[in-house]
Amino acid sequence: AQSVTQPDIHITVSEGASLELRCNYSYGATPYLFWYVQSPGQGLQLLLKYFSGDTLVQGIKGFEAEFKRSQSSFNLRKPSVHWSDAAEYFCAVGHSGGYNKLIFGAGTRLAVHP
Amino acid sequence: DTAVSQTPKYLVTQMGNDKSIKCEQNLGHDTMYWYKQDSKKFLKIMFSYNNKELIINETVPNRFSPKSPDKAHLNLHINSLELGDSAVYFCASSQGMSDVYGYTFGSGTRLTVV
Repeated sequence: AQSVTQPDIHITVSEGASLELRCNYSYGATPYLFWYVQSPGQGLQLLLKYFSGDTLVQGIKGFEAEFKRSQSSFNLRKPSVHWSDAAEYFCAVGHSGGYNKLIFGAGTRLAVHP
Repeated sequence: DTAVSQTPKYLVTQMGNDKSIKCEQNLGHDTMYWYKQDSKKFLKIMFSYNNKELIINETVPNRFSPKSPDKAHLNLHINSLELGDSAVYFCASSQGMSDVYGYTFGSGTRLTVV
């Protein structure tokens, strides 16, 4: 069964600093991978997704993520964080063989210092 | 023009009561879901429906009964509410059943059982 691990529960960065949020997945075949962001009191918004092709994917709000099969990772990056990026970030994995049932990681809470 | 809308946004009720949460999507999607987010932000799928047909039921207690009158609506009825049912419930939809599509989420319903 597939699973997702987000090793960092909480990360704090300064505004303008670069960001990398880690995500490791467990799945035997080619996974479909997603990053979602949840602002306080809001639903989840899709930032980007990977299912094939170029392993570096671009998303909304200046985010990008890189799929590394050898490391079973799909880390999210942003070169310069804005205060409005403070939120909860969720990595999710789906698989190519069955019904849509995304499995989510436990989330990483991002705090941004001015 | 909200894509996935849930009502109510907040629900406070006593143990033992029965309550319903409604969800509607105007995206023309075929598949809809209910997810539960616990106090630690962990997201777990409860149900999925495709064109009004139940596809996934993730060992949710029988007190929870989803109903999909048409493919644009998926409601959740909960009988005999318990303290442990307190959580945020998210409705979501996707274009099809394959994991490649990802989800569009509603803004959530915060249920508090007292």
